Amino acid sequence: EDKVVQSPLSLVVHEGDTVTLNCSYEVTNFRSLLWYKQEKKAPTFLFMLTSSGIEKKSGRLSSILDKKELFSILNITATQTGDSAIYLCAVAGNTGKLIFGQGTTLQVKP
Amino acid sequence: DTAVSQTPKYLVTQMGNDKSIKCEQNLGHDTMYWYKQDSKKFLKIMFSYNNKELIINETVPNRFSPKSPDKAHLNLHINSLELGDSAVYFCASSQDVRASEQYFGPGTRLTVT
Repeated sequence: EDKVVQSPLSLVVHEGDTVTLNCSYEVTNFRSLLWYKQEKKAPTFLFMLTSSGIEKKSGRLSSILDKKELFSILNITATQTGDSAIYLCAVAGNTGKLIFGQGTTLQVKP
Repeated sequence: DTAVSQTPKYLVTQMGNDKSIKCEQNLGHDTMYWYKQDSKKFLKIMFSYNNKELIINETVPNRFSPKSPDKAHLNLHINSLELGDSAVYFCASSQDVRASEQYFGPGTRLTVT
């Protein structure tokens, strides 16, 4: 059965810290892995990764995929209180549907 | 400039009632989805439509019936609501069925009392 597991489930840090969020997966006919940020409302798209070893970067956020070991990490450097959110990892197989992990709740304290 | 919109945002109703949630996207996408997010924040797909045609139908009670009058709209009708249906329901869309990147609506928080 396809599944996505994220760790840790929750994390509390202080502003300025660097955090690493983990996502491991098992999926039939892997096509891509996506990261979303969910604050109070809709999940918003962060990254889509399809190839191993190629880092995607957006400001203080970066992510990389390892298709051999079946995992991805999301790094946030110099965290700010505005980074507080649930970070969702999802994997797409060839059916078009996204399988989501249970999310990591990040709280950044001032 | 709303990309994916849902109405209503909040819905409080009693057990046994029938209710509908509407979704519209103005992105020109071919594929739309309904997800359910439970109290533990776990997002799970329910249905997917591609160009008005049902392509994904997960194990969902048949009290839930999606309807897509055109490719820009995907509505969700729920009959005989139960307490366990309380959740946040998200609509999403993607360019086509092969595209992984999905754009989510703001969600509808359904509370069944």
